[in-house]
Amino acid sequence: AQKVTQAQTEISVVEKEDVTLDCVYETRDTTYYLFWYKQPPSGELVFLIRRNSFDEQNEISGRYSWNFQKSTSSFNFTITASQVVDSAVYFCALSATFNNAGNMLTFGGGTRLMVKP
Amino acid sequence: EAGVAQSPRYKIIEKRQSVAFWCNPISGHATLYWYQQILGQGPKLLIQFQNNGVVDDSQLPKDRFSAERLKGVDSTLKIQPAKLEDSAVYLCASSRTQGGVTNYGYTFGSGTRLTVV
Repeated sequence: AQKVTQAQTEISVVEKEDVTLDCVYETRDTTYYLFWYKQPPSGELVFLIRRNSFDEQNEISGRYSWNFQKSTSSFNFTITASQVVDSAVYFCALSATFNNAGNMLTFGGGTRLMVKP
Repeated sequence: EAGVAQSPRYKIIEKRQSVAFWCNPISGHATLYWYQQILGQGPKLLIQFQNNGVVDDSQLPKDRFSAERLKGVDSTLKIQPAKLEDSAVYLCASSRTQGGVTNYGYTFGSGTRLTVV
């Protein structure tokens, strides 16, 4: 079974602070994909990043960075110099391929980030 | 490319009534998913189609929910009769295959917000 845990339900920061959103996952499969999505108040799910289990390199995209550590089954997301527009619910998700039909996304419960001016 | 289209955007019904949602995936995307997102939670998969065949419907409450994807393109999700606990956002997503990986890219629609009163 697959499971994704986002222990932080809500985080509040002041603009320009750095913030890290934690994600811990469980899967029996050796090949899997990890995702982060942003869900602003309008409700749509916005894709941020996809990472496969064989690539443990950290990634940086502008103010966003991701730290993937297989040893701790974690895929954490850091926003540097946060902005009010970053306020949203962020979801970590896992997709495994062990049975070729198991490529659905399993989502964590989400972390609501509030960035105050 | 055009995104995943869903309609209606909002729906309010009384309990025990029936309701149907429609989804048009991105052209060429063979895999289509319906997710249910209850307020404050992450999306949960209801059903996954590959072309017009069902791949996974293990979490679909089949006594009241049904879904079809005729001709492997558009899909409809129906609830009959609705219960109060069905109040949620229903998200449709589609994904394509690239490099033999079926879950290469997921795209979500804006969702249908259902309120059962």
